[in-house]
Amino acid sequence: DTGVSQDPRHKITKRGQNVTFRCDPISEHNRLYWYRQTLGQGPEFLTYFQNEAQLEKSRLLSDRFSAERPKGSFSTLEIQRTEQGDSAMYLCASSPAGSGTDTQYFGPGTRLTVL
Amino acid sequence: AQKVTQAQTEISVVEKEDVTLDCVYETRDTTYYLFWYKQPPSGELVFLIRRNSFDEQNEISGRYSWNFQKSTSSFNFTITASQVVDSAVYFCALRGPGGSYIPTFGRGTSLIVHP
Repeated sequence: DTGVSQDPRHKITKRGQNVTFRCDPISEHNRLYWYRQTLGQGPEFLTYFQNEAQLEKSRLLSDRFSAERPKGSFSTLEIQRTEQGDSAMYLCASSPAGSGTDTQYFGPGTRLTVL
Repeated sequence: AQKVTQAQTEISVVEKEDVTLDCVYETRDTTYYLFWYKQPPSGELVFLIRRNSFDEQNEISGRYSWNFQKSTSSFNFTITASQVVDSAVYFCALRGPGGSYIPTFGRGTSLIVHP
């Protein structure tokens, strides 16, 4: 049983460039979440999908951020015109449906550094 | 609004010592769920435990134990006979009933176990 995978693990980019991250959830999980984590903080929610539908977005998700999950499987998170403040660890998590089975399982994260 | 407080930023112990990580939460919901995750240096959050608000029974899993007390809104985590491999950041999280199942995380406690 493979866990949640994320690609790339590390990304270094220059300010103003666009970046895209990919998340592959656990295969039978229909919920997928994106979080951002900065140093010394817990994960902060960004957005959430149930199957292919994006159901909730945080106020943290500015208009430079967009996420997709076109076929209800893998998801991508794109950041346009990156800023130094975007430097963080971006975490993806997945969970099955149902309130009794909502434990989220996390991937290894993508560490973004914006120079 | 929900809030999770992990007042201990960093704890340093010597191997074989017992250590307790504190978690205090705030919520107006009568039904809620509490979680603990471990984040080792590799970065991936590892699920440890999920507890619902109607189950105040303490739980033990090997060297790990959890003490849930609704009267003090606390969900503390104890590691008995700590080992170097326990060194990690530990996060407590809380979510309310239904909806998008998005937890609120505390800021984490960094545990350092010295040999």
